[in-house]
Amino acid sequence: GAVVSQHPSWVICKSGTSVKIECRSLDFQATTMFWYRQFPKQSLMLMATSNEGSKATYEQGVEKDKFLINHASLTLSTLTVTSAHPEDSSFYICSARAPGTTNEKLFFGSGTQLSVL
Amino acid sequence: QKEVEQDPGPLSVPEGAIVSLNCTYSNSAFQYFMWYRQYSRKGPELLMYTYSSGNKEDGRFTAQVDKSSKYISLFIRDSQPSDSATYLCAMKETSGSRLTFGEGTQLTVNP
Repeated sequence: GAVVSQHPSWVICKSGTSVKIECRSLDFQATTMFWYRQFPKQSLMLMATSNEGSKATYEQGVEKDKFLINHASLTLSTLTVTSAHPEDSSFYICSARAPGTTNEKLFFGSGTQLSVL
Repeated sequence: QKEVEQDPGPLSVPEGAIVSLNCTYSNSAFQYFMWYRQYSRKGPELLMYTYSSGNKEDGRFTAQVDKSSKYISLFIRDSQPSDSATYLCAMKETSGSRLTFGEGTQLTVNP
């Protein structure tokens, strides 16, 4: 199956700093990528939909100025958590849709555990 | 009320047991039903994908959808310790791109 690589797998940062998470589709071009957040023992919550070459679409309640998404190429989307605070500590997961498929068959990255001190 | 309800468990079974995992939902517009397996600190992996009502079998895994009851199930036969993970159900309407996930059921298969 298609491979989605996410980096880093974990990051610890001080409050007030910014953190960038990368999501790459390794063997296919992804016009659409999705960013999710998952708190412990909770479901995946969609944060935003990232479309190559255009602005991301954010879900209700997600601050677009705090969670900056860039999808500059067909194989790379980045999520930057700006001025991170302890409440932003969570597991962030990206997913991508392979060409010719619909969202029922998303491929997920391995996730990034963010801990803000 | 959540759109998708899933018993978080934890569920612990002996090796070789038949495991039944379930989700209920309230949105009658859901037409696509998926089951994902997620190991600790990893991204979800798609296991099964079903459109509308019916059964689908893949090896030791069987997915069932009963739209009249708004109830879906995943059965795992001859469970193995390697099946120990969190299982997430997910659903989608025909139109749109949003997947709605359940909270996940944590399964442990004991040798």
